Amino acid sequence: QSVLTQPPSASGTPGQRVTISCSGSSSNIGSNYVYWYQQFPGTAPKLLIYKNNQRPSGVPDRFSGSKSGTSASLAISGLRSEDEADYYCAAWDDSLSGRWVFGGGTKLTVL
Amino acid sequence: QITLKESGPTLVKPTQTLTLTCTFSGFSLSTSGVGVGWIRQPPGKALEWLALIYWNDHKRYSPSLKSRLTITKDTSKNQVVLTMTNMDPLDTATYYCAHDSVDSSVWFDPWGQGALVTVSS
Repeated sequence: QSVLTQPPSASGTPGQRVTISCSGSSSNIGSNYVYWYQQFPGTAPKLLIYKNNQRPSGVPDRFSGSKSGTSASLAISGLRSEDEADYYCAAWDDSLSGRWVFGGGTKLTVL
Repeated sequence: QITLKESGPTLVKPTQTLTLTCTFSGFSLSTSGVGVGWIRQPPGKALEWLALIYWNDHKRYSPSLKSRLTITKDTSKNQVVLTMTNMDPLDTATYYCAHDSVDSSVWFDPWGQGALVTVSS
């Protein structure tokens, strides 16, 4: 059972806008930055969004992040087939002397 | 360009100790604000954070695994070593190391390719 809650799956058709939610608590999302990672099968995760809504260089602006209270969202606009991957949210959690916590991951399917 | 690579045994027996090495290039762990973290992923499951070590040798561990983990660094070799004692089949996973930039709050970027460790007798 992951500390951060994500829907196990999401889907959309090419060109659509999809959002993936990440729900936490006051000790993690509510008081710390949220990060998003993209992972293709058999490969290592890649940082997609940092500090809630910042994109590393090279990440298309079709990807955007937001945070409100104890929840965060990743939005992908202009969906492409190559966006089909697993997406994970993460945040620092101030409980238990501090720890990084991840969501359970969302598998995005492009129909 | 920052790169990291994990190395270690692919198969360990239950109760044994696992030692994994993360060898990196493109940064120095003696530079202020830099860290290296370890994260694992059981087959078909989610990511789980294990440990972090900072440039000043400060260390953080997952509370649920703290008693079994030790993280160290060798700045001269550009390596970080993670040891996990009393391995169990449930510890079967791909183990990743990742670079952290503490000052700019960029965490786990980039990641190494990962090392699959199977725990079985």
